[in-house]
Amino acid sequence: AQSVTQLGSHVSVSEGALVLLRCNYSSSVPPYLFWYVQYPNQGLQLLLKYTSAATLVKGINGFEAEFKKSETSFHLTKPSAHMSDAAEYFCAVSEVGTASKLTFGTGTRLQVTL
Amino acid sequence: DTAVSQTPKYLVTQMGNDKSIKCEQNLGHDTMYWYKQDSKKFLKIMFSYNNKELIINETVPNRFSPKSPDKAHLNLHINSLELGDSAVYFCASSQEAGRGYGEQFFGPGTRLTVL
Repeated sequence: AQSVTQLGSHVSVSEGALVLLRCNYSSSVPPYLFWYVQYPNQGLQLLLKYTSAATLVKGINGFEAEFKKSETSFHLTKPSAHMSDAAEYFCAVSEVGTASKLTFGTGTRLQVTL
Repeated sequence: DTAVSQTPKYLVTQMGNDKSIKCEQNLGHDTMYWYKQDSKKFLKIMFSYNNKELIINETVPNRFSPKSPDKAHLNLHINSLELGDSAVYFCASSQEAGRGYGEQFFGPGTRLTVL
């Protein structure tokens, strides 16, 4: 069975500061990993995905994530936070199978302050 | 051009009623999903259809019945609504089902409130 743990349900950073959102996964087979962002009252938008190619994945809006198998982690980072980054972020995992079943973490709310 | 659309956006109803939520995607994808997001923002898959065939059916009360008339549509019908059904329901679609890494595109959600 696959699962995702997101450490920290709420993260607050100053504008211009580094953003680090943590995600650890558990999977019995090599996983595919995703980060989605949800702005208030909207659906989810894919930020980036890892599908066993390069371990450092670059996404939209300046975000990137690094797959570390030894640590079973897929942390999301952005060098400099912007006010518009304030949103809910979800890490998700899927496994090769009959369908792309996504298992989500519990989400991390990112707050950006002046 | 909305990729994945859902109607209605808001749905307020009484306990015991039957209601439906509709979803349409114009991306040409072969797989569609329903997810439930609870009040704590936790997202959980409910159903998935691939080319009109049910392929994922999580532990969901049988009051919930998905219907896929064609691969561009996946509707969710809920019978005998209960207070605990209040949530935001998201439809999603993807291509490359079976490989596990097809990007899922999400609709804007339907906020269901059961009174």
